[in-house]
Amino acid sequence: GAGVSQTPSNKVTEKGKYVELRCDPISGHTALYWYRQSLGQGPEFLIYFQGTGAADDSGLPNDRFFAVRPEGSVSTLKIQRTERGDSAVYLCASSLSLASSYNEQFFGPGTRLTVL
Amino acid sequence: DAKTTQPNSMESNEEEPVHLPCNHSTISGTDYIHWYRQLPSQGPEYVIHGLTSNVNNRMASLAIAEDRKSSTLILHRATLRDAAVYYCILISSNTGKLIFGQGTTLQVKP
Repeated sequence: GAGVSQTPSNKVTEKGKYVELRCDPISGHTALYWYRQSLGQGPEFLIYFQGTGAADDSGLPNDRFFAVRPEGSVSTLKIQRTERGDSAVYLCASSLSLASSYNEQFFGPGTRLTVL
Repeated sequence: DAKTTQPNSMESNEEEPVHLPCNHSTISGTDYIHWYRQLPSQGPEYVIHGLTSNVNNRMASLAIAEDRKSSTLILHRATLRDAAVYYCILISSNTGKLIFGQGTTLQVKP
């Protein structure tokens, strides 16, 4: 079956621009996570959704970052006024039913964002 | 979330067993031990998880110390495809969010 998909796979933008990154989770997965990974580092948690609501957004670095999941499936991560430090791979993951400490997460291939 | 400590890197020969250690001395009673791996240019991939008892699946085995302060991921016969960064992660909250450390970079030599 289809896994988690993310679009675009690569995004190059200029400093100060607005970008949107999309995540299509596995069908039926109610929990959805966003992470970002800088070069040479492990992924860093950003936000997690249970259904349509953001249950934990403690990882969002500042108010330039925002994410939505209006119908409980596809999610969009939005970054305003991009900065060079936002350059990273943005990873999306989903898991079945309630997010918990024992459900495995399925990751997408990521979107590589480069801010010039 | 409790912290884990892993070696930065390890090497193995192809078709030999690999034991990847993880220390988690501050683990609490409700923390699950998860292992993920990340192959080059891919997203992380779930490997295995456990709470107290040793676990086996098609990918690997997880050996958990009796006091739960350490665990070992065992790949029974390493292949070139197993070359990846392996992350040991403790999860205690109901959100299931993963807090990644630096992981162990495993090199597999032919």
